[in-house]
Amino acid sequence: DTAVSQTPKYLVTQMGNDKSIKCEQNLGHDTMYWYKQDSKKFLKIMFSYNNKELIINETVPNRFSPKSPDKAHLNLHINSLELGDSAVYFCASSRDPSSYEQYFGPGTRLTVT
Amino acid sequence: GNSVTQMEGPVTLSEEAFLTINCTYTATGYPSLFWYVQYPGEGLQLLLKATKADDKGSNKGFEATYRKETTSFHLEKGSVQVSDSAVYFCAPPSGGYNKLIFGAGTRLAVHP
Repeated sequence: DTAVSQTPKYLVTQMGNDKSIKCEQNLGHDTMYWYKQDSKKFLKIMFSYNNKELIINETVPNRFSPKSPDKAHLNLHINSLELGDSAVYFCASSRDPSSYEQYFGPGTRLTVT
Repeated sequence: GNSVTQMEGPVTLSEEAFLTINCTYTATGYPSLFWYVQYPGEGLQLLLKATKADDKGSNKGFEATYRKETTSFHLEKGSVQVSDSAVYFCAPPSGGYNKLIFGAGTRLAVHP
């Protein structure tokens, strides 16, 4: 059983399009995250939700909008995609906001052409 | 804010060689410290952690000791295997909530 799953695994799209990435965790965790990893492997947090409530919102363009329909799901919608959005996006979860032990999904490689 | 400095890779070793990946950090107080590992094509996994000064974290033959005097948390393994080839991230907390600071990581390549 996959603890943290993401779909799709690969996403190739053109500039200006709108796309979504979905994430689900079956660990019973309260807290979920989105990270962006660039081509140099630098990993940066974007958002965090705790029990459907936004608790971390880093300096991210407002074209990126997370949505948590329930505590097991955290989706990422991106409007008006740009070339610089090309990266690997990782979803992660942790037991609660005080836990630094995070469980990562396999990643979604987004390529914007 | 807190920050982390990790040695740049890639680190290329032969099987059974000794591994050290340096990590130094700046932080308020004495937070828990973590090493995460990313195997090719996968997400990050927690490798080991240390929760207080002078604590040693260990897992899968890897060790790291939390040195508050030198603000370091270097990762070591006595004898690496090809299967250890991955990217390793030292990750101190950023402060507040559950934010970890991940640098660019250190890529390790182990050859037979």
